Amino acid sequence: EDKVVQSPLSLVVHEGDTVTLNCSYEVTNFRSLLWYKQEKKAPTFLFMLTSSGIEKKSGRLSSILDKKELFSILNITATQTGDSAIYLCAPKNSGNTPLVFGKGTRLSVIA
Amino acid sequence: SAVISQKPSRDICQRGTSLTIQCQVDSQVTMMFWYRQQPGQSLTLIATANQGSEATYESGFVIDKFPISRPNLTFSTLTVSNMSPEDSSIYLCSVRGGPNEQFFGPGTRLTVL
Repeated sequence: EDKVVQSPLSLVVHEGDTVTLNCSYEVTNFRSLLWYKQEKKAPTFLFMLTSSGIEKKSGRLSSILDKKELFSILNITATQTGDSAIYLCAPKNSGNTPLVFGKGTRLSVIA
Repeated sequence: SAVISQKPSRDICQRGTSLTIQCQVDSQVTMMFWYRQQPGQSLTLIATANQGSEATYESGFVIDKFPISRPNLTFSTLTVSNMSPEDSSIYLCSVRGGPNEQFFGPGTRLTVL
């Protein structure tokens, strides 16, 4: 059975702090790992990672995958209150199956 | 990327009633997925809806409770039947955008009193 574990489950930081969110997974026929940000209802896509060790960046967000150790991290530098959200990771296998999500990390950034 | 709309965006319903949620996509897609997110929980897959065949339900979800229609490649409905307060959730439809992409609709926030 596929498993996804995210940590921490929740995190409260001050504006300007740097945070690291973790995602470990066990997936048969792993193909890629996706990160999403969920602020209100709909998750919005952040990153898709397919190769180990290659960092993906988008502004203050970056993410990297380790396929040997079966985990990924999402970093957010110089956090802002607008970064407050639930961050979800979802590993994808090579079939047509839908994404299976971790429980998410609820990040709260306070001014 | 696919543009997905859902209706209604939110609703408050009485227990014992049913609600049908609509999902419209701006392009033809083979696979559509329905997820539920209960308060404080992550997304849980309810079923996969393919056009021209019956939906495939995940463990813990049954067709009598969550009937799904998929009349064409751009539209699907999910009905939450005989609702109870435990059905209060966000319901999300989702489509595959490519082999490694999956997009979500804006969600329907359902509250059952």
